[in-house]
Amino acid sequence: DAMVIQNPRYQVTQFGKPVTLSCSQTLNHNVMYWYQQKSSQAPKLLFHYYDKDFNNEADTPDNFQSRRPNTSFCFLDIRSPGLGDAAMYLCATSRGLAPEGDAYEQYFGPGTRLTVT
Amino acid sequence: AQTVTQSQPEMSVQEAETVTLSCTYDTSESNYYLFWYKQPPSRQMILVIRQEAYKQQNATENRFSVNFQKAAKSFSLKISDSQLGDTAMYFCAFLPNAGGTSYGKLTFGQGTILTVHP
Repeated sequence: DAMVIQNPRYQVTQFGKPVTLSCSQTLNHNVMYWYQQKSSQAPKLLFHYYDKDFNNEADTPDNFQSRRPNTSFCFLDIRSPGLGDAAMYLCATSRGLAPEGDAYEQYFGPGTRLTVT
Repeated sequence: AQTVTQSQPEMSVQEAETVTLSCTYDTSESNYYLFWYKQPPSRQMILVIRQEAYKQQNATENRFSVNFQKAAKSFSLKISDSQLGDTAMYFCAFLPNAGGTSYGKLTFGQGTILTVHP
């Protein structure tokens, strides 16, 4: 089945130690998104790519960066994780083509739960 | 900027009964999409139902239906014949369709935790 895959599912890192989260998709979607979701809160968009075009949300900290080397993969890099960065990180994709209803639908991966010690 | 408000932090329902989750939104956009997403405990978020703002007909997906009131900026979700597997956090979400772009920032409500009791 076509899907959005995130690795690892659980990640523990130390305060200040760089960490990379991975997302891959078999949907061949043009758009990939990274969200941060803290406990019992709504997801918050960090940034997204349309193909290789990168779009950063204005309030995304500089500590967060992303790479999309090809259509299938997207990475979230946290350069110096702080305790406040502990959260679930969700990757999502959407087709982003002609303005048809399902082109807008975002498909989410299972998330990576990041713990900062 | 858009805002999405879910005024019910928690709801509960007995199995086989019907429950309605509320959502209101505020926007100056005329063309947009509304979604309900379901996030079960420790499981991934999945799309439940989608509504295009230009469509007057309310969307329906099996046991899930919406009551979309554009003038009132209201978008409620009705779950009929509730099942134990419906227990989850439900998020209402808004996506503007600005200039025909087909991607963009989902604005989520705060979520409603729904518990279905046997």
